[in-house]
Amino acid sequence: EPEVTQTPSHQVTQMGQEVILRCVPISNHLYFYWYRQILGQKVEFLVSFYNNEISEKSEIFDDQFSVERPDGSNFTLKIRSTKLEDSAMYFCASSDYGPRLEQYFGPGTRLTVT
Amino acid sequence: GDSVTQMEGPVTLSEEAFLTINCTYTATGYPSLFWYVQYPGEGLQLLLKATKADDKGSNKGFEATYRKETTSFHLEKGSVQVSDSAVYFCAPANDYKLSFGAGTTVTVRA
Repeated sequence: EPEVTQTPSHQVTQMGQEVILRCVPISNHLYFYWYRQILGQKVEFLVSFYNNEISEKSEIFDDQFSVERPDGSNFTLKIRSTKLEDSAMYFCASSDYGPRLEQYFGPGTRLTVT
Repeated sequence: GDSVTQMEGPVTLSEEAFLTINCTYTATGYPSLFWYVQYPGEGLQLLLKATKADDKGSNKGFEATYRKETTSFHLEKGSVQVSDSAVYFCAPANDYKLSFGAGTTVTVRA
């Protein structure tokens, strides 16, 4: 069964460093998303992406964040200068016909900023 | 924006007990509704969905009915197992994203 994959599973970085989180969505899906979950809190939407552009972003997704689909298979989230409060589990998701139909989530990348 | 109110947990049950997790939402327009489940140490898995009023989503013995008049999507299972121990999230979806509830932690004891 096709699945969304994410690498790395755990990333430790120092405050102020750049990180890139990588995702491989399900191959025939057209819509891509990033969400995050701070430990013990609810899952929060960051950004949605379709047709090589951002469809919507939350207030969390400020200028420090960017997304890219560099080739036909990868979807990346870059945090330019990490802060302690960026420590969270980051989930990538994809869907075929849009957000109103099911989104399939990857296993997540745990980002720890020290 | 869309928001979700879920029954507060944690919920602790014995095996074979009946489970209900209440979920109400506020949304602009006509969202699709989902329940996702997160097992310990794992990511989010789609449990079930409903895309229009009065639709009933079902999977693995769980059910939820889209009630537009009460803006609710309560999750039920008639007889839980230890393996159902997890965090359950109610999530409406609009044209751009899912909006998750706070999650309800369910623990089922043998």
